[in-house]
Amino acid sequence: SYVLTQPPSVSVAPGNTAIITCGGTNIGIKNVHWYQQKPGQAPVLVIYSDSDRASGIPYRFSGSNSGNTATLTISRVEAGDEADYFCQVWDTTTGVFGGGTKLTVL
Amino acid sequence: VQLVQSGAEVKKPGASVKVSCTASGYTFITYYMHWVRQAPGQGLEWIAMINPSGGSTDYAQKFQGRVTVTRDTSTNTVYMELSTLRSEDTAFYYCARGDAASGTFWLDYWGQGTLVAVSS
Repeated sequence: SYVLTQPPSVSVAPGNTAIITCGGTNIGIKNVHWYQQKPGQAPVLVIYSDSDRASGIPYRFSGSNSGNTATLTISRVEAGDEADYFCQVWDTTTGVFGGGTKLTVL
Repeated sequence: VQLVQSGAEVKKPGASVKVSCTASGYTFITYYMHWVRQAPGQGLEWIAMINPSGGSTDYAQKFQGRVTVTRDTSTNTVYMELSTLRSEDTAFYYCARGDAASGTFWLDYWGQGTLVAVSS
């Protein structure tokens, strides 16, 4: 089965840029989607199909995908961006999620 | 768009649980519905999906034989039944609407989650 690998944690100071990676074999040929989950809440779609922002998501959020790594980039990080972030792909007839990355805003 | 799930459940090992998800705000049969679970403090795990139009389903291999997803188009409701429960099934269970293009699904609206606790 297909495996997605994310770093467990990323820390960034407010105003700086956060980069969250999602690794997978030839992930560049797949469409990658990203979700944000804050404590006690359901996940929220942030980016779909590698780089399209979901409705209501600020322009500060962007995505890219090439080779063996997909990336979620959050520019000008704010305290409210602190959350868990999960990448997801569709593999044949199965949804696959990465293990998640906890973004801490210092 | 709104997905409203049934309330928390406490079950004993070996029992079954059936969670419902009622959709509103869009045409029910035009979007697949997915089920995803999250054990406490853990990541997301995809379980299954259903095409509400014809009722066809796909299940993650891990849950094959133990999960059944059905729908009722008269009430815009999808159901997920998980049988032979064990303690490791303790988790929040989410329904989520699946949008699709180019052979991929993404989950654009989520229910509030239903806690299923399995304990003797």
